[in-house]
Amino acid sequence: DQQVKQNSPSLSVQEGRISILNCDYTNSMFDYFLWYKKYPAEGPTFLISISSIKDKNEDGRFTVFLNKSAKHLSLHIVPSQPGDSAVYFCAATLNQFYFGTGTSLTVIP
Amino acid sequence: DAGVTQSPTHLIKTRGQHVTLRCSPISGHKSVSWYQQVLGQGPQFIFQYYEKEERGRGNFPDRFSARQFPNYSSELNVNALLLGDSALYLCASSLGGGAEKLFFGSGTQLSVL
Repeated sequence: DQQVKQNSPSLSVQEGRISILNCDYTNSMFDYFLWYKKYPAEGPTFLISISSIKDKNEDGRFTVFLNKSAKHLSLHIVPSQPGDSAVYFCAATLNQFYFGTGTSLTVIP
Repeated sequence: DAGVTQSPTHLIKTRGQHVTLRCSPISGHKSVSWYQQVLGQGPQFIFQYYEKEERGRGNFPDRFSARQFPNYSSELNVNALLLGDSALYLCASSLGGGAEKLFFGSGTQLSVL
């Protein structure tokens, strides 16, 4: 039972434009949400997080939005850079981490 | 400071064999978690250990076991390997025992033939 879903397996964006990665979840008890980025042959690295009591968190070019009523999470990257090309996983926590299936982002120079 | 280190990086086994994967957490981190990532999927939680005690266990069969040592390093053991156990096994460390930010190693790629 996949409690965290990323319905877009891939996304291509022009350099300088906005990248929007989406994530849906089913369990309203999740208390913390995170985004991880993964390059090939490396482990996932933490990018940004948001508590369930907030609806927005910003860190430089990265902003995460949380819509609890829709059980929806999104990551905005502005402006997108070629180095952002990677697989992005969203995760939710409730005693343990639940990861989505990932979205492969390609930023085209 | 060194990050999370895992060994070996790659491993090839045959069905029915046993495998041991090793993980050293970031210095000062007392919790280690293990995840299985099958191609095309996200990491799936296997175990969490904190202060040498099992804190959580995912939906994996009893063939999977783990332990944490006094220096906070950890081993993941898988018995009676199946073809479906082929995956990237990720270790992650964190400061405490809660569901807080995880720091991942590069993983061990296990192939079962």
